[in-house]
Amino acid sequence: AQSVTQLDSHVSVSEGTPVLLRCNYSSSYSPSLFWYVQHPNKGLQLLLKYTSAATLVKGINGFEAEFKKSETSFHLTKPSAHMSDAAEYFCVVSDRRNTGFQKLVFGTGTRLLVSP
Amino acid sequence: DTAVSQTPKYLVTQMGNDKSIKCEQNLGHDTMYWYKQDSKKFLKIMFSYNNKELIINETVPNRFSPKSPDKAHLNLHINSLELGDSAVYFCASSKGDRDNQPQHFGDGTRLSIL
Repeated sequence: AQSVTQLDSHVSVSEGTPVLLRCNYSSSYSPSLFWYVQHPNKGLQLLLKYTSAATLVKGINGFEAEFKKSETSFHLTKPSAHMSDAAEYFCVVSDRRNTGFQKLVFGTGTRLLVSP
Repeated sequence: DTAVSQTPKYLVTQMGNDKSIKCEQNLGHDTMYWYKQDSKKFLKIMFSYNNKELIINETVPNRFSPKSPDKAHLNLHINSLELGDSAVYFCASSKGDRDNQPQHFGDGTRLSIL
């Protein structure tokens, strides 16, 4: 089955410094990968998606992620953190093996803390 | 102009009761989902419907019964609520179910069982 592993449960950065949230995937075929963000008491919002086109994917709010097949990674980055980026981030893979239909499999999440 | 809306936002009830959560999407999508997020923020799919037909049922207890009266609605009814049902339940929708189609989420329903 498809799965993702988020390597850090918490990441703390200062405002204005770079952000790196790490994600490794496991897939028996070319995966579709997503990053979602969840702000407190809110639903999940799509940041970006990778679907076997360009390996460097640009998303909303200055985030981007690079698909590296050799490293089975899909890390999320942003050059400069804002206070409003503080939230929970989920790396997600789409798995359709058993049913033939899309099923999102979520990582355990990384909480991003941004200090002034 | 809310895309995916769930009601109620909060639900506090006693063990053994029956409750329903409603979900509506105005995006014209034909696939809808229910997810459960536990206290550790872990998200897991429960059900998926495509054109009002059940396509994914992730070994959820049969106390949980989804109902899709039309493509824009997917409601969740829960019988005989248990303490372990306390969680945040999210509804989502997507345009079809291809892998490259992102899902759009509601703001969640926080269910607390006393």
